[in-house]
Amino acid sequence: EPEVTQTPSHQVTQMGQEVILRCVPISNHLYFYWYRQILGQKVEFLVSFYNNEISEKSEIFDDQFSVERPDGSNFTLKIRSTKLEDSAMYFCASQTYPQGTQYFGPGTRLTVL
Amino acid sequence: KQEVTQIPAALSVPEGENLVLNCSFTDSAIYNLQWFRQDPGKGLTSLLLIQSSQREQTSGRLNASLDKSSGRSTLYIAASQPGDSATYLCAVDTGANSKLTFGKGITLSVRP
Repeated sequence: EPEVTQTPSHQVTQMGQEVILRCVPISNHLYFYWYRQILGQKVEFLVSFYNNEISEKSEIFDDQFSVERPDGSNFTLKIRSTKLEDSAMYFCASQTYPQGTQYFGPGTRLTVL
Repeated sequence: KQEVTQIPAALSVPEGENLVLNCSFTDSAIYNLQWFRQDPGKGLTSLLLIQSSQREQTSGRLNASLDKSSGRSTLYIAASQPGDSATYLCAVDTGANSKLTFGKGITLSVRP
């Protein structure tokens, strides 16, 4: 069964460093998302992406964040200058059509020291 | 602003019991509601999706219902098993861009 994959599973970085989190959505899906979950808190929406542009972003998704679909398979989240409060589990999700089931990847645990 | 609440935060039941997990949301203008399962340190596994026009969906031992007007959904698990132990999250889709708003989840423990 097709699934969303994410790499790396765990990333440790120093505050102020740039990180790129990678996702490979399900191949025939057109709508892509990033969410994050700080330990012990709710899963929070970050950004949605369709047709090579951002559809919607949350207030969390400031200028330090960017997303890109560099080729036909990958979907990336870049954090330019990481802060301690960026430590969280980051989930990628994809969807065939709007309001359909969103399929989530296993997540990348980001630890900022 | 949409708020999703799941109470209680944790639940422990003996194996074999039928149980109901509750989810409530403040804005009834939703497109759909999705139930997920999350195992510790893992990703989210989609269990069921109910469109706003539907009243319920079933998958195996799971049955989810939706009462949009009252802002409630329930996930019914029949004949619970220890393997059902996990955190169950509900999420609502209220936007044209399908962003999901999540509850905090209910951590279920099924005792053998």
